[in-house]
Amino acid sequence: AQSVSQHNHHVILSEAASLELGCNYSYGGTVNLFWYVQYPGQHLQLLLKYFSGDPLVKGIKGFEAEFIKSKFSFNLRKPSVQWSDTAEYFCAVTSNAGGTSYGKLTFGQGTILTVHP
Amino acid sequence: KAGVTQTPRYLIKTRGQQVTLSCSPISGHRSVSWYQQTPGQGLQFLFEYFSETQRNKGNFPGRFSGRQFSNSRSEMNVSTLELGDSALYLCASSLGGWPQSGELFFGEGSRLTVL
Repeated sequence: AQSVSQHNHHVILSEAASLELGCNYSYGGTVNLFWYVQYPGQHLQLLLKYFSGDPLVKGIKGFEAEFIKSKFSFNLRKPSVQWSDTAEYFCAVTSNAGGTSYGKLTFGQGTILTVHP
Repeated sequence: KAGVTQTPRYLIKTRGQQVTLSCSPISGHRSVSWYQQTPGQGLQFLFEYFSETQRNKGNFPGRFSGRQFSNSRSEMNVSTLELGDSALYLCASSLGGWPQSGELFFGEGSRLTVL
């Protein structure tokens, strides 16, 4: 079975600091990878995704993530955070196995990011 | 474009009752997935429907069921409610193709409290 591990439950940063949120997954096959974000009082929304190709993917609001297959990792980064980045971030994975994976994401437990002005 | 709409947003039930939650997907989206979110277990996949057919199912007991209508709207039902069913139930829609079925657009959820 797939599993996703997010290393930090709560990260606290000051504005302009750099961000890296860790995500590791366990699955032996080909995967599709996602980061979702939930801003306070809002619904979950897609931040970025990786299906194939360039392992460095860019998402909205200056976020990027790097897929390192050998490390089963998909860490989220942002060079300079803003107060408005305060949110909960979820890493998710689905196996690239078509029929057994439709709509089925395995989510990590989430990382709460608090950015102080 | 309207987002995913879930109703009701909040509801309180007692043990043994049943509940039906509704989800209207984004226009043009034919896939609807349901997730349960709790503080202890996080986000867990319940099932996915596409064109009125259940394509995928998570590891939940048979008390949890769903269906999808021809207009892509979906409902999920939980029968014989237990205290542990208290959770936020999230609906998500997508175009449904592969691999785009992982690009989910979530609603705000229905918060169920079982007393």
